[in-house]
Amino acid sequence: GESVGLHLPTLSVQEGDNSIINCAYSNSASDYFIWYKQESGKGPQFIIDIRSNMDKRQGQRVTVLLNKTVKHLSLQIAATQPGDSAVYFCAEKLSGGSYIPTFGRGTSLIVHP
Amino acid sequence: DAGITQSPRHKVTETGTPVTLRCHQTENHRYMYWYRQDPGHGLRLIHYSYGVKDTDKGEVSDGYSVSRSKTEDFLLTLESATSSQTSVYFCAITFLPGDSGNTIYFGEGSWLTVV
Repeated sequence: GESVGLHLPTLSVQEGDNSIINCAYSNSASDYFIWYKQESGKGPQFIIDIRSNMDKRQGQRVTVLLNKTVKHLSLQIAATQPGDSAVYFCAEKLSGGSYIPTFGRGTSLIVHP
Repeated sequence: DAGITQSPRHKVTETGTPVTLRCHQTENHRYMYWYRQDPGHGLRLIHYSYGVKDTDKGEVSDGYSVSRSKTEDFLLTLESATSSQTSVYFCAITFLPGDSGNTIYFGEGSWLTVV
């Protein structure tokens, strides 16, 4: 079946560096992608989303890039801060039908001061 | 704040006892979901609802039942709790899942320990 995965389970960066978290998806019919941030003891929090008709979308300090050719999604965090330390999930939605997103297992981002 | 409240937030129960988790939303969203989250597995869908009294199973529905008698409440019941159901349970909502751009929002979670 379709799957959403993350390349790296843990990413360690220094405060102030830029972070890149990657995600691969396998279903070319997916038309909507979401990034979530989950802090310890809390529920996943929506960060940014992107539709399949876009290649790039920017938010506040975050950018999501979508490469449909290789079915790859990335989340870039600029000037990473200690408060960015969390687990980050990507999710994909298939076009049509009910919305049952598939989630990756998550990448743990650790920001060292 | 997506207007989702889960209760209880923490519970310890004994094997074989029934447990009900409640999800309450204030946004009048049509779709509601229950997920469990375990190390090494990520988020897995238990059941979801697409309207009052309309529910369907997810990938890990065995041992769980749900009910939705009104739009704002979605209940998850463990009829006879087992240790394998020790987990963190998340409720989620979305407005129109068939449309791209309608994201899914999560509650803060319910930590359940079955001893």
